[in-house]
Amino acid sequence: SQQGEEDPQALSIQEGENATMNCSYKTSINNLQWYRQNSGRGLVHLILIRSNEREKHSGRLRVTLDTSKKSSSLLITASRAADTASYFCATGRAQKLVFGQGTRLTINP
Amino acid sequence: ETGVTQTPRHLVMGMTNKKSLKCEQHLGHNAMYWYKQSAKKPLELMFVYNFKEQTENNSVPSRFSPECPNSSHLFLHLHTLQPEDSALYLCASSQFTGFLAEAFFGQGTRLTVV
Repeated sequence: SQQGEEDPQALSIQEGENATMNCSYKTSINNLQWYRQNSGRGLVHLILIRSNEREKHSGRLRVTLDTSKKSSSLLITASRAADTASYFCATGRAQKLVFGQGTRLTINP
Repeated sequence: ETGVTQTPRHLVMGMTNKKSLKCEQHLGHNAMYWYKQSAKKPLELMFVYNFKEQTENNSVPSRFSPECPNSSHLFLHLHTLQPEDSALYLCASSQFTGFLAEAFFGQGTRLTVV
């Protein structure tokens, strides 16, 4: 069954603005990861947050995790045109890394 | 360049053809995966291999046959596919399976079944 579900499905903002994407999941997890996919290409790992962590930063990315609400958010600050892509959350549990449907982010110049 | 290479990048095949997708990783990882990405659907995990042993088959039809001869190579053999099998097939690897492991993806093979 599908684990992560991203919200919104699509997001369009102006360059320089911040973009926030949310992910909800249903069962217990070991970690939660965020990936980026440029159109028709492979996925690129962005950040991993463990179930005992609440917040993590990497450059312009900030990820939060709330295990009580079974949700996570990805914040991209000072967005750039190159950030245009689809963003996926993935939950790690046992042998599996299960992905959501993704948020399509468009950064307008 | 993620260290995971997939070939071919594009493949068009008829429903009676037999073809194979190849994946190679140069990262020294122990786990390898096949995912299927169809339009407007989440990535679907197909197979998981850990130390060359298949540990997960996510109810994939037998017309898809994986092979993992060693920890660096993974194949997906295709035969008598259906048009609905057209999708982007992604290979990934990780140091360990499941938790605490980030996955590295190849660029994918865009498969079209005609």
